[in-house]
Amino acid sequence: AQSVTQLDSQVPVFEEAPVELRCNYSSSVSVYLFWYVQYPNQGLQLLLKYLSGSTLVKGINGFEAEFNKSQTSFHLRKPSVHISDTAEYFCAVNGLGIQGAQKLVFGQGTRLTINP
Amino acid sequence: KAGVTQTPRYLIKTRGQQVTLSCSPISGHRSVSWYQQTPGQGLQFLFEYFSETQRNKGNFPGRFSGRQFSNSRSEMNVSTLELGDSALYLCASSLEFFTDTQYFGPGTRLTVL
Repeated sequence: AQSVTQLDSQVPVFEEAPVELRCNYSSSVSVYLFWYVQYPNQGLQLLLKYLSGSTLVKGINGFEAEFNKSQTSFHLRKPSVHISDTAEYFCAVNGLGIQGAQKLVFGQGTRLTINP
Repeated sequence: KAGVTQTPRYLIKTRGQQVTLSCSPISGHRSVSWYQQTPGQGLQFLFEYFSETQRNKGNFPGRFSGRQFSNSRSEMNVSTLELGDSALYLCASSLEFFTDTQYFGPGTRLTVL
């Protein structure tokens, strides 16, 4: 079964410092990978996605992620964070549902806290 | 363009009751997915509808059901509520495929007493 492991449940970082949120996946099908962000009391917003092509994916708000097939990883990075980046971040991979239909399988989330 | 809207935003029910949640997708989107979010289990996929047909289903009991109307609006119903059904229920819409960007609504917070 497809699964996603987010290696850190909480990541505290000082403002303007770089950050990396780690994500490892397992999937027996062609891999599509996603990062979503959830701000307090809101739904999820797509940051970026990898479907094919270049392994370095750039997203919104200055975030980027690198797909590494050999290490089955899709880590999210930002070179300089802001207070407004404080949120929960979710990594997701495509999974197989019934009759081969695909769906998103999410990791447990990483709470990113930016300290001034 | 208006985003995904979910109603109501908050609900309080008691065990044994049933509840219906509503989701209006972005105009032009034909796929609607539902997710349950809890602190313990995280985000779990409930089901997906496309053109009024359930196309995909997660591992939830039959008490959880849904439907989609011809205008792509969707409802999900939970019957015989249990305490463990307390959660944030999120709806997401996309054009057609799961690889299309899914746009999430703000969710409905259900509390079962």
